[in-house]
Amino acid sequence: GAVVSQHPSRVICKSGTSVKIECRSLDFQATTMFWYRQFPKQSLMLMATSNEGSKATYEQGVEKDKFLINHASLTLSTLTVTSAHPEDSSFYICSATPLRGLFNTGELFFGEGSRLTVL
Amino acid sequence: DQQVKQNSPSLSVQEGRISILNCDYTNSMFDYFLWYKKYPAEGPTFLISISSIKDKNEDGRFTVFLNKSAKHLSLHIVPSQPGDSAVYFCAAGVSGNTGKLIFGQGTTLQVKP
Repeated sequence: GAVVSQHPSRVICKSGTSVKIECRSLDFQATTMFWYRQFPKQSLMLMATSNEGSKATYEQGVEKDKFLINHASLTLSTLTVTSAHPEDSSFYICSATPLRGLFNTGELFFGEGSRLTVL
Repeated sequence: DQQVKQNSPSLSVQEGRISILNCDYTNSMFDYFLWYKKYPAEGPTFLISISSIKDKNEDGRFTVFLNKSAKHLSLHIVPSQPGDSAVYFCAAGVSGNTGKLIFGQGTTLQVKP
């Protein structure tokens, strides 16, 4: 199946610093990527939809100035957690679909996830 | 507002038996449903999906049933194997919405040898 890769898989940073997580579709072009966040033993919560060449669409309650998303190419989206705080510690997962338009198979491809720990 | 709910946080079954994981949803706009399997510290992997025009979809040991009137779907794994032990998420979406999915809380399945 299609491959989506995330980097880094783990990152530890000090409070107040910014952290960038990359999401790449390795064998297909992704006009749309999604960023999810998962707290321990909880569901994956959609944070934002990343659209190539345009601004990301954020879900209600997600601070767009806190979580900067850039989708500069058809194979790369980045999530930057700005001025990170301990409460931002979480598991961040991206997903991508090679489809454009009608979502007719329902299959998204997920990255491996990135564990962020803010000290 | 939890639009997709998995009310059983965990399930334990014996190897060779059937595993049944349940999922309920509230949004009648959902017309596509998926099941994902997830291991700790990894991203989810796709298992099986079903569109609202069907009430059953089968793929090997995995079968998903959809009851639209009850807004309920279930995943059956037969026979269950120890390697099936993982967290299972159901997800729902609207076709044409370019992949935006709402996930349930997940059910941890343990298959005992």
